[in-house]
Amino acid sequence: GQQVMQIPQYQHVQEGEDFTTYCNSSTTLSNIQWYKQRPGGHPVFLIQLVKSGEVKKQKRLTFQFGEAKKNSSLHITATQTTDVGTYFCAGPNNQGGKLIFGQGTELSVKP
Amino acid sequence: EAQVTQNPRYLITVTGKKLTVTCSQNMNHEYMSWYRQDPGLGLRQIYYSMNVEVTDKGDVPEGYKVSRKEKRNFPLILESPSPNQTSLYFCASSQTGTGYNEQFFGPGTRLTVL
Repeated sequence: GQQVMQIPQYQHVQEGEDFTTYCNSSTTLSNIQWYKQRPGGHPVFLIQLVKSGEVKKQKRLTFQFGEAKKNSSLHITATQTTDVGTYFCAGPNNQGGKLIFGQGTELSVKP
Repeated sequence: EAQVTQNPRYLITVTGKKLTVTCSQNMNHEYMSWYRQDPGLGLRQIYYSMNVEVTDKGDVPEGYKVSRKEKRNFPLILESPSPNQTSLYFCASSQTGTGYNEQFFGPGTRLTVL
């Protein structure tokens, strides 16, 4: 079945270092969403990408959607302790109605 | 305040004792969904509902039931809970089920089945 894979599963960085998580789908996606879950919290929507090759920025966060619309990435520049959490990508399945989530990348930031 | 609420937030129960986790949203959303979150497995969809009286299985529906009698409520029922259903459960809602709308998540229900 349709799968969304995310790597790495864990990433430990020193504060100030950059961080990137990658999302790969087994099928072409119409759009992709990114969510952030703080420790002990619930997932919160960050952004949606729709167009092939689209790049969006939110302050230190840069989101990219691949040309083939099968992969995406989230890059954080100069991480801060407030960036700690798990980042999920998610894409709709082909039949609609289901949002398939990647396994998530857990980011820890050492001050 | 626009929100998704779940109750209870924490529950410890025993094998076989039926339980219901309630979920309610006040945003008039058509789409609602239940997920379970387990370490290393991300968020896996249990059931979803495109609208009132319309429900369908997600990826891991075994051992769960749902109903959608009203637009705002989407309870998750475990008729005979087993230890492998110990997990963190999230309810979510979105404007539609097209996949183009952001999903709003509830605070989560941590369930332990002994």
